[in-house]
Amino acid sequence: AQSVAQPEDQVNVAEGNPLTVKCTYSVSGNPYLFWYVQYPNRGLQFLLKYITGDNLVKGSYGFEAEFNKSQTSFHLKKPSALVSDSALYFCAVRDMASGGYNKLIFGAGTRLAVHP
Amino acid sequence: EAGVAQSPRYKIIEKRQSVAFWCNPISGHATLYWYQQILGQGPKLLIQFQNNGVVDDSQLPKDRFSAERLKGVDSTLKIQPAKLEDSAVYLCASSSEGQGIYEQYFGPGTRLTVT
Repeated sequence: AQSVAQPEDQVNVAEGNPLTVKCTYSVSGNPYLFWYVQYPNRGLQFLLKYITGDNLVKGSYGFEAEFNKSQTSFHLKKPSALVSDSALYFCAVRDMASGGYNKLIFGAGTRLAVHP
Repeated sequence: EAGVAQSPRYKIIEKRQSVAFWCNPISGHATLYWYQQILGQGPKLLIQFQNNGVVDDSQLPKDRFSAERLKGVDSTLKIQPAKLEDSAVYLCASSSEGQGIYEQYFGPGTRLTVT
């Protein structure tokens, strides 16, 4: 079965320090991977995606993610965290059995807390 | 461009009552999704429409949940009768194509509390 795992419920980091939010996946074939962010009382916002090509993907708000096929990972990173980055982050993978339709399977989410 | 609109934002009902949620996707987006997000979990797809046709409703509890998108634009999700375990945020999303790899755009969600 296809799945996404986010092993950390919460990540704490000091403002200005680099941050990493981890994601591993299990799919058959080549994965299509996504990161979304959710601020309180708001819907999910798209950050970035990996479909093919360069393993380092750059997205919105200075975030980037590194695709590692051998480790089946797609970790979200940012060189210098801001307090305003504090939110809930979701990793998602396209369901490859969805017959060409863009069905996503989401992880459980990781809460990022950036402290001043 | 206007985003995905949802209403109401909050709803409190008693178990066994019925409730309906409304979603208006981004103009021109052919694909519309309804997700259920239970506290502490990621969103789970309930139903996916391509224009006014259903392409995936495999995780929709059809004995109590129903959804329609009659004119291929806005959509309604209904629960009847509601159970305590239906307490969740119901998210609507849309994307510009049914096939291909396009990001989904989400509305603010409707928080449902069943007492």
